Amino acid sequence: EIVMTQSPATLSVSPGERATLSCRASQSVSTSLAWYQQKPGQAPRLLIYGASTRATGIPARFSGSGSGTEFTLTISSLQSEDFAVYFCHHYNNWPPLFGGGTKVEIK
Amino acid sequence: EVHLLESGGGLVKPGGSLRLSCAASGFAFSTYSMNWVRQAPGKGLEWVSSISVSSTYKYYADSVKGRFTISRDDAKNSLYLQMNSLRAEDMAVYYCARGVGVWPPWFDPWGQGTLVTVSS
Repeated sequence: EIVMTQSPATLSVSPGERATLSCRASQSVSTSLAWYQQKPGQAPRLLIYGASTRATGIPARFSGSGSGTEFTLTISSLQSEDFAVYFCHHYNNWPPLFGGGTKVEIK
Repeated sequence: EVHLLESGGGLVKPGGSLRLSCAASGFAFSTYSMNWVRQAPGKGLEWVSSISVSSTYKYYADSVKGRFTISRDDAKNSLYLQMNSLRAEDMAVYYCARGVGVWPPWFDPWGQGTLVTVSS
């Protein structure tokens, strides 16, 4: 199975700053990669699919890039509502797996 | 509006059984694959099981294979997860999620989750 590794585990960022989150796959997943945001006590919400396509209603400050084994989620200017945990998810084959998550906290 | 509502969680003893349900509304349920994903307290997300359109294909994580069974009733717009031989490590919030796009799918949206507690 393909192992997904996210880094860093925790990212401390000031509001208005840029946040860059990484996700690495143990083997190529092409662009079969999604990103989700999860706030405390809430279900995950889809942000990005196909590595770089924003889901409906997701603000333009969220962008995804990468292919193969290296992926990045960038939040261009952090807003207060963006402080949350972010998970990557490969759906290239079975079993689909999630990364361990990156917590974006207020610096 | 697309909506998923899980139910059926609760406290169960190790070795016991539980059946989770997910009621779907706001979309053509029969035309989408459906999925279960769980999250242990304070932990990350773990895919549990997926079922294709028409129930043609069913996939399970190795950790639940042989103990859990996924099913769907398109007439009732409902998804189910029968969980048998429950273990302490099955304790988690269980989310149902609509599958979108390719197969395996990505997940959008998710229900609010139902908590399964396994304890004696």
